[in-house]
Amino acid sequence: QSALTQPASVSGSPGQSITISCTGTSSDVGGYNSVSWYQQYPGKAPKLIIYDVVRRPSGVSGRFSGSKSGNTATLTISGLQAEDEGDYYCCSFASTNTYVFGTGTKVTVL
Amino acid sequence: DVQVVESGGGVVQPGGSLRLSCTATGFTLSNYEMNWVRQAPGEGLEWISYINSRGTTTYYADSVKGRFTISRDNAKNSLSLQMNSLRVEDTAVYYCAREVSGTYTIDYWGQGTLVTVSS
Repeated sequence: QSALTQPASVSGSPGQSITISCTGTSSDVGGYNSVSWYQQYPGKAPKLIIYDVVRRPSGVSGRFSGSKSGNTATLTISGLQAEDEGDYYCCSFASTNTYVFGTGTKVTVL
Repeated sequence: DVQVVESGGGVVQPGGSLRLSCTATGFTLSNYEMNWVRQAPGEGLEWISYINSRGTTTYYADSVKGRFTISRDNAKNSLSLQMNSLRVEDTAVYYCAREVSGTYTIDYWGQGTLVTVSS
């Protein structure tokens, strides 16, 4: 199972909106509404910020939103803040009863 | 508070074995499906194994199939990962992660335990 494709880095100024794409295949992203997004700070465990493509866990900022079209899922961070700087990973359930993660995107707040 | 704690990491020679353990507080482990996910130094996340709540169904990534075995002891509220025939490329932080039943979503992660395979 190949990793889902994400841009290596995305940057934006405080207050701006940025998007992170996550491209897979019809066997994973395109085939299931089971795409999750995780935020990870250096040396820390990942934190769930979006699940089921569009749902936000309790306590996660409304500035984070998710969507999907075909084989590509997208995470949008609105009103970018300094605390949003970190690594972001998408994850999808796959037809082989496995999970596949994205390659990861480093978000930099300018 | 929900907490997942891994243990058992360390340094092992290529070809060696290691057993990782995972315990949980704040929730009943036996009610949840569980996974192991690893992250090599400076690299991304890689899912490696799943076990259902009763321990009757397991899945593995191709990279570890036949070498790693996931198991659980619900009576002891614990999860394990037996790792055999370890390779240098297995060097990583190993995370124990809870799955929300029926949703294909991994929600809570432990802080991870580092496994280093080196001669």
